Parts: sequence; structure tokens; C-alpha cells
Amino acid sequence: DIQMTQSPSSLSASVGDRVTITCRASQSINVNLNWYQHKQGSGPNLLIYTSSNLQSGVPSRFSGSGSGTDFTLTINTLQPEDFATYYCQQTYIYPRTFGQGTKVENK
Amino acid sequence: EVVLLESGGGLVQPGGSLRLSCAASGFTFSNNAMSWVRQAPGKGLEWVSIISGSGGSTDYADSVKGRFTISRDNPKSTLHLQMNSLRGEDTAVYYCARDRGGLIAARSASDYWGQGTLVTVSS
Repeated sequence: DIQMTQSPSSLSASVGDRVTITCRASQSINVNLNWYQHKQGSGPNLLIYTSSNLQSGVPSRFSGSGSGTDFTLTINTLQPEDFATYYCQQTYIYPRTFGQGTKVENK
Repeated sequence: EVVLLESGGGLVQPGGSLRLSCAASGFTFSNNAMSWVRQAPGKGLEWVSIISGSGGSTDYADSVKGRFTISRDNPKSTLHLQMNSLRGEDTAVYYCARDRGGLIAARSASDYWGQGTLVTVSS
């Protein structure tokens, strides 16, 4: 199975900050990497698909990049509604696997 | 508006069975592959299973292979997950999710998710 490793596992940030989360795959996954935002009590929300494509309806302050094994999610100008847990997921090969999550907390 | 609504969760004893359902609306159900993803208490997301839009192809996580069966009823726009031989480690919130593509080989992301249904396996 492909292992997905996110860093950091958690971070503290303030409204207006720029936040960067990284995700590393244990082998190349081309650009088959997606990012989700998850808040407790609701289903995850797709932010970025295929590494860098912004899902319809997602604010443009979210962006993604990377290919092969190393990927990045960036949140420019963090907003109050962005405090949540973020997961990367590879869909290159089955079983699909998620990173362990990055919790973004309010400093 | 795409809506996915899970049902069927509850408390079940180890070794028991449970059938989850996911009622879909707001899109042509047979056009999209569908997945189940779960989250155990205090843990991250874990992909469980997927079925193609036609229902002809499926895949499973090793942790559930041979115990869980995914299926779909396209005329009724409903996804199912039959869970047998349940274990404590199957305790989780189970989410159904729509794939952006119709084929399980499409390497698609899941673009719509339900709110989840809680399954608790305990004696």
C-alpha cells in the first residue's frame, strides 16, 4: 500500500496567516493527489483534486501543487472558517490511502 | 443540489451484521462511482470500498475484504454496504461519497459526501 505522510500533524495559526501543509507519498503517484477539509459533524469537503485543480465553489485562497511524491496545500489569508482538519488522499492505486491529517487550530 | 444521506448505523455485537444505505439525489446516480470511507473515534479517514457507476467493478480495503460487500441499486439511486463478521475495530462513522468519475479506474476524487452514520460494534 502507498503510505501518505502529512506534516505537520497540527499547527496553530491566526486569521490572516498563510498556512502550508505538506504531503509525501511512499512512491510516485503522478498527480493523483486530492485535498479535503474536514470538520467534525459533517462529511469531508473536497478542496483540490489532481494536485492543483480547485474544486468548484472552493475559495481561491486554497491552492495545491506537486507531483510524484511531494505535494503542498497552501491556504492564503486564513479565515475563521478554515480552522479544521485537512487530509491528503492518493487515488493513483488501490487501496486509496489518506494522510493522517493536519489539524489547523486557532492560535 | 447533490445530496447523500446515509442510514442503517447502530449498535451491533461483535460477529454481527449491519447493512448501511446511502440515498442519493440531485444527479444521475449511474454516472458516478461511489465509495464508502470511515473514521474511527479519534482517528483519521480510512477508505473502505468503491463501486463503479454500472456496478460491475468493485474494490475493497484489505481490512474489510471478505466481510463487507458494496452494491448499488441504480434505479433507486441507492448505495449499500453489507457488513458481516463485524469487529470492534469496525466501530466508526461511515461516509458515502460520490466520485467525480464513473469508472473505478478513473483515479477520481470524491466530490460530494454524506453526513455519515455511526456504527458501534460492542458487546
